[in-house]
Amino acid sequence: NAGVTQTPKFQVLKTGQSMTLQCAQDMNHEYMSWYRQDPGMGLRLIHYSVGAGITDQGEVPNGYNVSRSTTEDFPLRLLSAAPSQTSVYFCASSRENYGYTFGSGTRLTVV
Amino acid sequence: TQLLEQSPQFLSIQEGENLTVYCNSSSVFSSLQWYRQEPGEGPVLLVTVVTGGEVKKLKRLTFQFGDARKDSSLHITAAQPGDTGLYLCAGDNAGNMLTFGGGTRLMVKP
Repeated sequence: NAGVTQTPKFQVLKTGQSMTLQCAQDMNHEYMSWYRQDPGMGLRLIHYSVGAGITDQGEVPNGYNVSRSTTEDFPLRLLSAAPSQTSVYFCASSRENYGYTFGSGTRLTVV
Repeated sequence: TQLLEQSPQFLSIQEGENLTVYCNSSSVFSSLQWYRQEPGEGPVLLVTVVTGGEVKKLKRLTFQFGDARKDSSLHITAAQPGDTGLYLCAGDNAGNMLTFGGGTRLMVKP
């Protein structure tokens, strides 16, 4: 099994550009989440989903959109990139009452 | 907002030494998870503790969940260079949402 697959691994955007970070899992997990990790701040929850068709906001949702049309996929959209969105983004999935499996991350730089 | 505070933030020790990392909160969590992260990779789950007072052992790693389910500790016995990494605790709220602590960066020197 591939687990959680994130693409791309690296991305540079100009301020104001939009893009989608892809996340796919092949474990049939109902829960999926997006986190961002900044130096010295741990991981912060952006958006999460408890199943296909259901999404909700986490701690830092502004500037990001998500959708969950299938169990497997949970893309994260940056609407208009800003330098403050420079970060490492992690997608994760889990079953209820189990720990999360994380992807290897997308390192995003906004210039 | 539920907060998790980890201490220490940084720890540099010699191979063979013991260490303890703490994870504290004023909030109660349904469970607490510990992850280890290496550079350029995502966090990897080490353990989940659910019951207050629970102790779990994973080889040289011992995890404890506080009786009130607000705090946890990770103890490593006879640390090895392979234990080097970022250790993260995460509290599980309702709906499987995780709140992460700031992490403890451990370096074990040979």
